Amino acid sequence: DAKTTQPTSMDCAEGRAANLPCNHSTISGNEYVYWYRQIHSQGPQYIIHGLKNNETNEMASLIITEDRKSSTLILPHATLRDTAVYYCIVRVAGTASKLTFGTGTRLQVTL
Amino acid sequence: SQTIHQWPATLVQPVGSPLSLECTVEGTSNPNLYWYRQAAGRGLQLLFYSVGIGQISSEVPQNLSASRPQDRQFILSSKKLLLSDSGFYLCAWSVLSGLSNQPQHFGDGTRLSIL
Repeated sequence: DAKTTQPTSMDCAEGRAANLPCNHSTISGNEYVYWYRQIHSQGPQYIIHGLKNNETNEMASLIITEDRKSSTLILPHATLRDTAVYYCIVRVAGTASKLTFGTGTRLQVTL
Repeated sequence: SQTIHQWPATLVQPVGSPLSLECTVEGTSNPNLYWYRQAAGRGLQLLFYSVGIGQISSEVPQNLSASRPQDRQFILSSKKLLLSDSGFYLCAWSVLSGLSNQPQHFGDGTRLSIL
């Protein structure tokens, strides 16, 4: 699976949009981009995933560049409860394939 | 809706003792099931996965074993725990379908401390 690069940490004011970048310059054509987050002492929570089109759900939006070498997770109105470590994962579509979590981005939402 | 349950939430065990962690999924049939471990300050490591009853694949050879006695039950075991078995153990499930891009969904984990 392709490796990803994310900033170690980011801050965001409550109510503002949080834009979390991820670089995956070696991504292959059959690899999806997944985003998870992990709040301290809890299991990872699935947020969103996509292949090449932009995606939106009730939690967030995922913007994937046309060359698919990078993506951005957007939390439109961050709240204090969004403080967590956010993981960008690239995975080949395959039965029961593992998720490889890196170190992620620690997002701190402040008042 | 689908839910995943793990227990216990925390566990303190002496070195050399046995281990049994249980995970059950509700609201879906024939899921893929996974056991991950997260050591302190590190990423998740896949330990085992299962695509059906009695079918277990091991990712990392170690002191642990897994079993799937029922469709929605996944058990992680050890006969003799080592200090290095300490960590945060997570169970996950995903839909078994031709759409193999389906995400995995995690339980709340078991924090295991070995003394």
